[in-house]
Amino acid sequence: QKEVEQNSGPLSVPEGAIASLNCTYSDRVSQSFFWYRQYSGKSPELIMSIYSNGDKEDGRFTAQLNKASQYVSLLIRDSQPSDSATYLCAFHSGGYQKVTFGTGTKLQVIP
Amino acid sequence: EADIYQTPRYLVIGTGKKITLECSQTMGHDKMYWYQQDPGMELHLIHYSYGVNSTEKGDLSSESTVSRIRTEHFPLTLESARPSHTSQYLCASSEYGTANTIYFGEGSWLTVV
Repeated sequence: QKEVEQNSGPLSVPEGAIASLNCTYSDRVSQSFFWYRQYSGKSPELIMSIYSNGDKEDGRFTAQLNKASQYVSLLIRDSQPSDSATYLCAFHSGGYQKVTFGTGTKLQVIP
Repeated sequence: EADIYQTPRYLVIGTGKKITLECSQTMGHDKMYWYQQDPGMELHLIHYSYGVNSTEKGDLSSESTVSRIRTEHFPLTLESARPSHTSQYLCASSEYGTANTIYFGEGSWLTVV
């Protein structure tokens, strides 16, 4: 089993819809979780981090964490064509452990 | 906004040449990383460092080497470049601790002809 599982997509949603991106992880001691956005040919940039169970909202983005079920999700409300990118989830177990990235989900927002 | 810089951004070089990709960060982060990523493909960790004089191999085997003599500087070297080394190389850094957000540089695109 891979440490981080993401559907590679592409996930296509119409403009204005809610895009839902999911990620599962296998390391039960993971403490910190991150969502990164990567445009084609660019480096990843941090969208959100989440450390506690529940929801965390930032503008049109909501991260959801469920440690018992070992999944983290990202909701993008009112999706825009500019949201079209690959979204990477990542987690960290703390201390000297390295951050582990998923393979990414490609999102396409159709105008 | 993260302050992590990579040079060169783009490099085309002949087979057999030695190259060094530079990476510097001004945030005082202890941890630094090198990732390799082909277009449209996943990130692969090739090297990381937890501090000065600390370097470790990542998940993907790489013929490159790294050094960490100063906190802010983490250069990557290829002694003899080959076409198979053509890729994007991303440098990143983070603080020690559970927050541990990784910040990426803009990347170095290497083409070996």
